Order: sequence, then C-alpha cells, then structure tokens
Amino acid sequence: NAGVTQTPKFQVLKTGQSMTLQCAQDMNHNSMYWYRQDPGMGLRLIYYSASEGTTDKGEVPNGYNVSRLNKREFSLRLESAAPSQTSVYFCASRLTGGNQPQHFGDGTRLSIL
Amino acid sequence: GQQVMQIPQYQHVQEGEDFTTYCNSSTTLSNIQWYKQRPGGHPVFLIQLVKSGEVKKQKRLTFQFGEAKKNSSLHITATQTTDVGTYFCAGIDPNTGKLIFGQGTTLQVKP
Repeated sequence: NAGVTQTPKFQVLKTGQSMTLQCAQDMNHNSMYWYRQDPGMGLRLIYYSASEGTTDKGEVPNGYNVSRLNKREFSLRLESAAPSQTSVYFCASRLTGGNQPQHFGDGTRLSIL
Repeated sequence: GQQVMQIPQYQHVQEGEDFTTYCNSSTTLSNIQWYKQRPGGHPVFLIQLVKSGEVKKQKRLTFQFGEAKKNSSLHITATQTTDVGTYFCAGIDPNTGKLIFGQGTTLQVKP
C-alpha cells in the first residue's frame, strides 16, 4: 500500500518553463489537495478537489492549474514558472466527511532559476 | 479569512526539558488536528481533538483543546532527540470545511 505518491521528487526549471507535478493515491480517498511549503509560512493550500470531477481554488492559486484526472490522480501544472514558485510542493488526500486526517506524499522540491 | 496562528516559530531545548507549542484561531473551529514533520520529511497526522476542553495523551505528548474551541496546545514532557521536527496545528473551518494550517513550530533538541 503506497499511500500518496508524488513525482518527481526534485526538479530544477528555468523561468518561463512549464511542468506538471503528478500525484496519485491508492487509498480510495475522495478529496485531494495541493500545498506549497515555504520557510516560516507553514502549509498553504493551492488547489483542492473535494471529489472526482471538481476542483476549487485555495489560498494561493495564482500561477497554477490543476486536473483531477480520475479518483486516484490529481496533477498540478505550472504554465510559466517564476522564481517565486520555488518551494516544496505536497500533495495530500483524505476521506471526505467527518473529521478525517490528511495523508501526505513525500513532496516535490522545485527550484526555479 | 480565518487564520490559525502558532507560536513560537522556533524552540531550542536541552534534551530532557519540556516543550510547548500554542495554536490560536481567529474563529471557532470544528476540531483541531496536529501533525509532525521530521526534517526533510512530510507532515504526518498525530491526533485530532473535537470536544471543547478535550485533553488527549500519547506517551510524553499531551494535547489540549480550549473551552471556546479557538485554541490548542501540544506539550512534550522530557524531550528526546527523536522529538526533533516541525509541529503543525490545523483547524477545520466550520463554514467551509477546509483545513487551515498554522505556520508550525520547529523544535530542536540538543543532546
């Protein structure tokens, strides 16, 4: 049981390049999330998907797009990367309803030069 | 929007000393969750508090939820080097259902 799997683990981009961060979970969770983590800022929600076929903006959505491809997969796309998007990105998932905890992937460390 | 503030941001302690981190919300929360992130790792769920005034213990860790459900604390008794990491509180906004994370408290333990 792999839990939440993120790829790639590390990536270096040049300003203006695009890329997609992949996330997949095998726990049959309905809800999936993308966060970014910066020093002293905690975890900030970029986008989330409460269920297959739906996506909503979080706290810091500008510069990002997401796709909930199916129940398992939720991808995050940077169309034109900027240095301000250098961060660690975490994907998380949880069962919907009640007070279920979130399960996190190992993260993607992204540097934009 | 709703904010969850966590203090202190950093704490250095000698092994064996106690440690406490505090979490405060601008509004009432449905519940509070606590996560631990080891250096280089990802956040891992520790515990959830739901009831007003609730206290839960996990070995040397004691978690409290305030009577007004607007604040919480995590206390570690006699810290060990294995306690090193960043501790996050996260509250569920009852209006949106979203989980709002505090900024985290990073604990360093000197052996």
